[in-house]
Amino acid sequence: KNQVEQSPQSLIILEGKNCTLQCNYTVSPFSNLRWYKQDTGRGPVSLTIMTFSENTKSNGRYTATLDADTKQSSLHITASQLSDSASYICVVSGLGSSNTGKLIFGQGTTLQVKP
Amino acid sequence: DTAVSQTPKYLVTQMGNDKSIKCEQNLGHDTMYWYKQDSKKFLKIMFSYNNKELIINETVPNRFSPKSPDKAHLNLHINSLELGDSAVYFCASSQPPGRGSYNEQFFGPGTRLTVL
Repeated sequence: KNQVEQSPQSLIILEGKNCTLQCNYTVSPFSNLRWYKQDTGRGPVSLTIMTFSENTKSNGRYTATLDADTKQSSLHITASQLSDSASYICVVSGLGSSNTGKLIFGQGTTLQVKP
Repeated sequence: DTAVSQTPKYLVTQMGNDKSIKCEQNLGHDTMYWYKQDSKKFLKIMFSYNNKELIINETVPNRFSPKSPDKAHLNLHINSLELGDSAVYFCASSQPPGRGSYNEQFFGPGTRLTVL
């Protein structure tokens, strides 16, 4: 069964600190993996998209890594800001789904950054 | 200059009623989606249309009927609403999925549906 699991479920950190969110998936065959940020009351916004040949991609203070062999990804946030408080969702697209656009979503990690 | 917009943002209604949620995108995309986000925050695909043609239809009760009058609009009509339909519904759009396409999806702000 194609699944995406994230950990931790929730995380609280102090402003200025770094953190790393984890994502494990069983989607096969694999096409790409993306991380979305979802602010409260808003729709998800894409942060990074990686294919199996990419093992790291950055977007400002966000750096995503991908190990397609172990089917793991991480999202590292550097020097956190209060505005980073949100849910971070790991999403995987399988090869077959590239023709339909179907994505498999994780349940998200809720990050709270405190002053 | 909103890319993907949905109306209404909040919808509170009684069980058994029929309601519609509208979605419009001005990104020039051919493909549009409807997702349901339950209380556990999982986003699940419900429907997908490519240029007004249905391409994804997950196991969704037939009380839910999408309608695409043109490729910039994908509305969701729900008949005989039930308590379990309470959730946040997101519309999204993308370029047509296919080989070599990342299929990046742009989401609307969501519609919070509460069935009493």
